[in-house]
Amino acid sequence: KNEVEQSPQNLTAQEGEFITINCSYSVGISALHWLQQHPGGGIVSLFMLSSGKKKHGRLIATINIQEKHSSLHITASHPRDSAVYICAVWGATNKLIFGTGTLLAVQP
Amino acid sequence: GAGVSQSPRYKVAKRGQDVALRCDPISGHVSLFWYQQALGQGPEFLTYFQNEAQLDKSGLPSDRFFAERPEGSVSTLKIQRTQQEDSAVYLCASSRLTGADTEAFFGQGTRLTVV
Repeated sequence: KNEVEQSPQNLTAQEGEFITINCSYSVGISALHWLQQHPGGGIVSLFMLSSGKKKHGRLIATINIQEKHSSLHITASHPRDSAVYICAVWGATNKLIFGTGTLLAVQP
Repeated sequence: GAGVSQSPRYKVAKRGQDVALRCDPISGHVSLFWYQQALGQGPEFLTYFQNEAQLDKSGLPSDRFFAERPEGSVSTLKIQRTQQEDSAVYLCASSRLTGADTEAFFGQGTRLTVV
C-alpha cells in the first residue's frame, strides 16, 4: 500500500464544473504539497499547507491532520486546468513522498 | 537563474552507455533533491543534498547511480551502464531552506530513454 493515495486516478469534467481531488496518507507529516504537472512539463507547486485551508484564485486546498486527508478543489474549471495533480507529503524521513497523481481533463 | 534548470531535456542512450544529467538549482538554495518518475507514476525519491553534503541516498536504485554536488550548487546525477529500466523522467528540485516549511521548486526534468 502506498503511503500517499490519491483519488480519483483519472477525472474528466465539463468546463465550469466544480472539481475535487482527494489525498490520503498513512504517515506522520509536517507539511503537504499540492503540485501540478502538465504533459512534458515540469512540476509547479500550487500549495503547501500543514493545517486548515488555503485559497489561490480558483484553487482551494484543505487538510485535516487528524483524519490524514487533504482535498484540492477547483471552482469554475477550465480546459487550461487539464493536467496531472500530485499530492506530496513531507514526512519524518525529511523528503517528499508523492502520490501517483490524478489526471484531470476538462472538456470545453 | 529564474528557476531550476535541468539539462539535457531529452537523452537517448544505448543500453550500457553512461549518462550524466545536470541540475542547476535556484541560486542560494540549500536543499537539492533528485527524483525518478516512471511513466504514469508519481516521482520517487532518489537522493538529497544539503549544500554539498549528500545526506540521504537511500532512493538510489543501484550502485550504477551516483550523484554529486561538489560546490553546493550545481548537481550531477550519473548513471553508469544504463539499462532499459532506467528509462524515466529525472526531476530535480531545490528549496531555499531545509525542512518541511519551505517550498520546493522543480525543474522541467530530463527524459531518459534507454534503447
